[in-house]
Amino acid sequence: GQNIDQPTEMTATEGAIVQINCTYQTSGFNGLFWYQQHAGEAPTFLSYNVLDGLEEKGRFSSFLSRSKGYSYLLLKELQMKDSASYLCAVSPWNNYGQNFVFGPGTRLSVLP
Amino acid sequence: EPEVTQTPSHQVTQMGQEVILRCVPISNHLYFYWYRQILGQKVEFLVSFYNNEISEKSEIFDDQFSVERPDGSNFTLKIRSTKLEDSAMYFCASSAKATNEKLFFGSGTQLSVL
Repeated sequence: GQNIDQPTEMTATEGAIVQINCTYQTSGFNGLFWYQQHAGEAPTFLSYNVLDGLEEKGRFSSFLSRSKGYSYLLLKELQMKDSASYLCAVSPWNNYGQNFVFGPGTRLSVLP
Repeated sequence: EPEVTQTPSHQVTQMGQEVILRCVPISNHLYFYWYRQILGQKVEFLVSFYNNEISEKSEIFDDQFSVERPDGSNFTLKIRSTKLEDSAMYFCASSAKATNEKLFFGSGTQLSVL
């Protein structure tokens, strides 16, 4: 079976740091992706982890522990435009295309 | 940055009617996908397509659904006889490789079945 869990909602203040957690249990693993989705829009790619550790990309970092089935997305220096849903998605092992399994998403509200 | 384009952005149809959702993937991409998102719910995989055939499909993708690449640029999703529960945002996506590769999503078609 495939299961991905994320907190439903989070609130943070402009300029602060927020960590969004994701836990997964999937039949295989070929990478974990984080996407940002503004209301009514398409998901846009933020980061990708396939090996354990931290990947840093500007204000966004993502961490993966495969043994724990755990990832987090860290957002620094929060801006109002970061208010969006953040989707954790796992790519199960598959040579024929990426049938991503998405988590329910975490809706982040950034307050002034 | 290159992008995936989808048309129409909104589609309203009567239950039982056929609809075709259209997508133009990024030109040098080889792998194509359809996902859907029912309002307030998570993004769900429908089907992946490579080398002019379906490579994988989910339980949602039943006999009412079909995909086609009618020419070198378009990728379509057809729903033969729409049901109320087919109302959702449908996203097309493409990628250059099969694995370890981010998906580029189109802006979606909001399908409303009345």
